[in-house]
Amino acid sequence: EVQLLESGGGLVQPGGSLRLSCAASGFTFNNYAMNWVRQAPGKGLEWVSSISGRGESIYYADSVKGRFTISRDSSKNTLFLQMNSLRAEDTAVYYCARGSGSSVRNPFDVWGQGTTVTVSS
Amino acid sequence: DIQMTQSPSSLSASVGDRVTITCRASQGISNFLAWYQQTPGKLPKLLIYAASTLQSGVPSRFSGSGSGTDFTLTISSLQPEDVASFYCLNYNTAPFTFGPGTKVDIK
Repeated sequence: EVQLLESGGGLVQPGGSLRLSCAASGFTFNNYAMNWVRQAPGKGLEWVSSISGRGESIYYADSVKGRFTISRDSSKNTLFLQMNSLRAEDTAVYYCARGSGSSVRNPFDVWGQGTTVTVSS
Repeated sequence: DIQMTQSPSSLSASVGDRVTITCRASQGISNFLAWYQQTPGKLPKLLIYAASTLQSGVPSRFSGSGSGTDFTLTISSLQPEDVASFYCLNYNTAPFTFGPGTKVDIK
């Protein structure tokens, strides 16, 4: 069974850092692009970042560029999102989502359950 | 960056009604357009990709059409379990962008 399991969310003060993880199972990790999507409370979906199957292509939303870093570890079948200089507006549920192919230009076909990030003093 | 708009932002329809949601891209995105359904408290679910291809396991009452800048999602006969928010996604050119969503409920 294809599964994505996020972890690493929590409460952090403005300016702080968090590292989210997404453990993948049930598929050949290197063959698929991976993505982070977030959803603020009561709001819509917002794309955050994407990384291609082999990690050669990486993209970020303007709202997180320079603060967030996406990466993947094929030996651990895990996707990461390092979040620095966090702001209140980064408060959201963060979803890990698989692209349906190795290129980032693929729809997101499998989603994790999400991990909640709250930025507050 | 490509902006995505959706209309309407919300709608209320009766069971059995035909429902149409529109998504418009600020620039052409060919057919790199997906539709997602998110029921309250649940994960987003991929319904349609490549503008008109039905994802495996999705009921045939859902259909998509369009190319370039204008796209539609149609529910041919609204069912109670279709109460949800629906989002379009541009995955043609990063930064990828979701539409703001359309909330559908039963009249």
